[in-house]
Amino acid sequence: QKEVEQDPGPLSVPEGAIVSLNCTYSNSAFQYFMWYRQYSRKGPELLMYTYSSGNKEDGRFTAQVDKSSKYISLFIRDSQPSDSATYLCAMTSNQAGTALIFGKGTTLSVSS
Amino acid sequence: DTEVTQTPKHLVMGMTNKKSLKCEQHMGHRAMYWYKQKAKKPPELMFVYSYEKLSINESVPSRFSPECPNSSLLNLHLHALQPEDSALYLCASSQDREGVDEQFFGPGTRLTVL
Repeated sequence: QKEVEQDPGPLSVPEGAIVSLNCTYSNSAFQYFMWYRQYSRKGPELLMYTYSSGNKEDGRFTAQVDKSSKYISLFIRDSQPSDSATYLCAMTSNQAGTALIFGKGTTLSVSS
Repeated sequence: DTEVTQTPKHLVMGMTNKKSLKCEQHMGHRAMYWYKQKAKKPPELMFVYSYEKLSINESVPSRFSPECPNSSLLNLHLHALQPEDSALYLCASSQDREGVDEQFFGPGTRLTVL
């Protein structure tokens, strides 16, 4: 079993839809959870950062972490064509200069 | 300013060449990273410098050699690479402070080895 599982998609939605992206993980030591957005041929851009369980909201984006289920989600409200990208979940157990463990990434396409 | 810069943006090199990739950040971050990303795959860690001390991913071949001249700069020296080393090379940095350790990525250097 991989440490982090993420459905690669592709996921296609119409403009204005609510998008739900998810990752599951197996390592109960993970405490720091991130979502990155990566456009084609660009570096990953940090969208959301969450420590431990709970919700975090930033504009149209909401990140949820459920450590009891080892499940994290990213919700995008009122999706826009500019949201079309690959979304990578990432997590780590130790905050001090350690590698992020990434999911495979979900490719999202929002059509106008 | 949450910017990590990388140069060059693109690099084409032969298997006998020696080249270097450069990364710079001015956020006061004390940890810097090199990741390698192949097409349609997530980034994979190669090296970490934390407070200018190196941690190595032992699976990385010796033809990749990192260097951290100071806390703001990170280089990756390349020598005798193979075509399978062609990838997007990403630099990242983080504060390396308890409770706050988001990693910020640069735009990457797209490397092609002929």
